[in-house]
Amino acid sequence: SQTIHQWPATLVQPVGSPLSLECTVEGTSNPNLYWYRQAAGRGLQLLFYSVGIGQISSEVPQNLSASRPQDRQFILSSKKLLLSDSGFYLCAQGLDYGYTFGSGTRLTVV
Amino acid sequence: GQQLNQSPQSMFIQEGEDVSMNCTSSSIFNTWLWYKQDPGEGPVLLIALYKAGELTSNGRLTAQFGITRKDSFLNISASIPSDVGIYFCAGPRANQFYFGTGTSLTVIP
Repeated sequence: SQTIHQWPATLVQPVGSPLSLECTVEGTSNPNLYWYRQAAGRGLQLLFYSVGIGQISSEVPQNLSASRPQDRQFILSSKKLLLSDSGFYLCAQGLDYGYTFGSGTRLTVV
Repeated sequence: GQQLNQSPQSMFIQEGEDVSMNCTSSSIFNTWLWYKQDPGEGPVLLIALYKAGELTSNGRLTAQFGITRKDSFLNISASIPSDVGIYFCAGPRANQFYFGTGTSLTVIP
């Protein structure tokens, strides 16, 4: 079965600092990968998705970027964090039969 | 983008009560999924529906794929405290799933 590893679980970063969140997937090859952000424990906002190595689609223009350097690795980055980047970030994989989500990273920008 | 509206937005119920929530879309979906998110965790798939009119159960949970393919319903019978969380519907379109606005459920012991 597929497993998604996300780290770190929590992160407190100052405004203007860089960000790197990593997501890796086990148990499948060539997965569709997704980054979501959830603010205030409610709706899921799709940030980026990737259907293959080096292929990134951005859903919302903002202060973040994504990369997929390996088949089962998806990275979310920022050069300079804003206060508004705070939230709960979720990595997900799959499509045909639904997504499997990681356990999330709680990011607080101070 | 696709708009999936869930209602109610939040529910406060007594333990043992039944729960009903729904999800509506302005366009047709060929698959409906229901997820539950525990506080501080990622959503977990509860039920998947693949056919209009389909009724599927998973323990105390029952979900239905609406005949029009523009809506879906989730029922929880005899609620317990661990049912607390946010419930999301989702439908696929073009390499992604669109998620509903969520229904927050609180169960009072």
